[in-house]
Amino acid sequence: SSELTQDPAVSVALGQTVRITCQGDSLKKYYASWYQQKPGQAPIIVIYGKNNRPSGTPDRFSGSTSGNTASLTITGTQAEDEADYYCNSRDSTGSHRVVFGGGTKLTVL
Amino acid sequence: QLVESGGNMVQPGKSLRLSCVASGPTFRNYGMHWVRQAPGKGLEWVAFISDDGNKKYHDDSVEGRFTISRDNSENTLYLQMNGLRREDTAIYYCATEGGSWYYLDSWGQGTLVSVSP
Repeated sequence: SSELTQDPAVSVALGQTVRITCQGDSLKKYYASWYQQKPGQAPIIVIYGKNNRPSGTPDRFSGSTSGNTASLTITGTQAEDEADYYCNSRDSTGSHRVVFGGGTKLTVL
Repeated sequence: QLVESGGNMVQPGKSLRLSCVASGPTFRNYGMHWVRQAPGKGLEWVAFISDDGNKKYHDDSVEGRFTISRDNSENTLYLQMNGLRREDTAIYYCATEGGSWYYLDSWGQGTLVSVSP
């Protein structure tokens, strides 16, 4: 079972703002990173750390953390943002183990 | 660029070795991960190895059966998989570490391992 919890599915109207959340004890100590995966493709990292975007990630993607909850926000969602999104962090016990959330399927209406 | 290979269909109890070849001169500067994804399921972290190979961490689900290793002279990451089980069936991805060791920056396209009688 995952130590990071995500909503299985979220939908958003084209052009609107959507927030995808990730909850877990480890997020009180460690930042999350976020990955986008489209069907048949490998994941790509879109946000890491406090709120860092790799080159290539559109600036409509942003990240934040409050308490035990990390959020990925997409402002002005585009059709091409429809994908599965996964958060990850390290294990809350301090062991050297990486954990992923169960993933959120984002549908753009 | 990362290119995985070695995936195959095998019977339970058998072994496989996956490889991940990195292009470019910087492979030796990065820790590396293996992550898997069962059909229709989410991402599951498998193992991590530090840039110099001295630190290795494995998930509990594969501890004692799988071993991560690397050859920096060959720009290659490995995953030795012994005692394969049906539940190991998945696409296996290699990925480089990012700003912190548990971020996964660049990913390969994956190689499919299928464990079936």
